[in-house]
Amino acid sequence: DAGVTQSPTHLIKTRGQQVTLRCSPKSGHDTVSWYQQALGQGPQFIFQYYEEEERQRGNFPDRFSGHQFPNYSSELNVNALLLGDSALYLCASSLPTNEKLFFGSGTQLSVL
Amino acid sequence: AQKVTQAQTEISVVEKEDVTLDCVYETRDTTYYLFWYKQPPSGELVFLIRRNSFDEQNEISGRYSWNFQKSTSSFNFTITASQVVDSAVYFCALRNGLTGNEKLTFGTGTRLTIIP
Repeated sequence: DAGVTQSPTHLIKTRGQQVTLRCSPKSGHDTVSWYQQALGQGPQFIFQYYEEEERQRGNFPDRFSGHQFPNYSSELNVNALLLGDSALYLCASSLPTNEKLFFGSGTQLSVL
Repeated sequence: AQKVTQAQTEISVVEKEDVTLDCVYETRDTTYYLFWYKQPPSGELVFLIRRNSFDEQNEISGRYSWNFQKSTSSFNFTITASQVVDSAVYFCALRNGLTGNEKLTFGTGTRLTIIP
C-alpha cells in the first residue's frame, strides 16, 4: 500500500519563475492538504482540497494555487517565485472525517 | 487565533535517559484536537497521537506517554528509556474541532538528539 508520494523531490528555480509540485494521496484517501515548512519552522497550512474544490485556505497570497484531479491527486502551483518561497512543501492526505493526516516526504524548493 | 508554543528548540540526552518535550497551546475553541508528529531526516511527518479536548486522560504507548492538562493548556510528551532511533524533530499541533476545518497549527518543533 503506497503512502503519500510527492514529486519532484528537489527543485531549483529562479525568482519570477513558476513552479508546479505534484502529490498522489494514500490509497483510499480523497482529501489533500498542502503545507509549507521553512527551515527551522513548523509547517504552515496553505490549503486543502476535497472533491476537486478548495475547501479551506491559510494565509497565503494568490500566487499560491492548487488543483485536485478526479483521481484525487493534486498539484500546487506557485507563480512569480520569491526568495522567501524557498521551503519544504509537504502534501498530506486523509479521509474527510478523519483527523489523522498522512504526510509525504515533501518537495524541497530552492529559489535563487 | 490559535497558537502552539514549543519552547525547547533543541534537546540532547544520553541514550536510555527519559526526556520530556513541552507543548503549550492557545485557543478560544471549546472543542479542539491536539497532535504530536515526528519528523525524521527523511522529511515526512509521522503521526504519533491525537487527543481531543474532552479527554484529559493520560496515554501511554510503549515507551511514549502524553500528559494533557487543560488547566495549564499543555500537552507534554515523554519518551522513556530513549533510543538513538528517537532522534528527530517533534512537532506539537492543534486543530479546531469543527468538521470541515482541517487546518493544523504547528509549533516550531523540538529537535531531539539521542547520544549513544
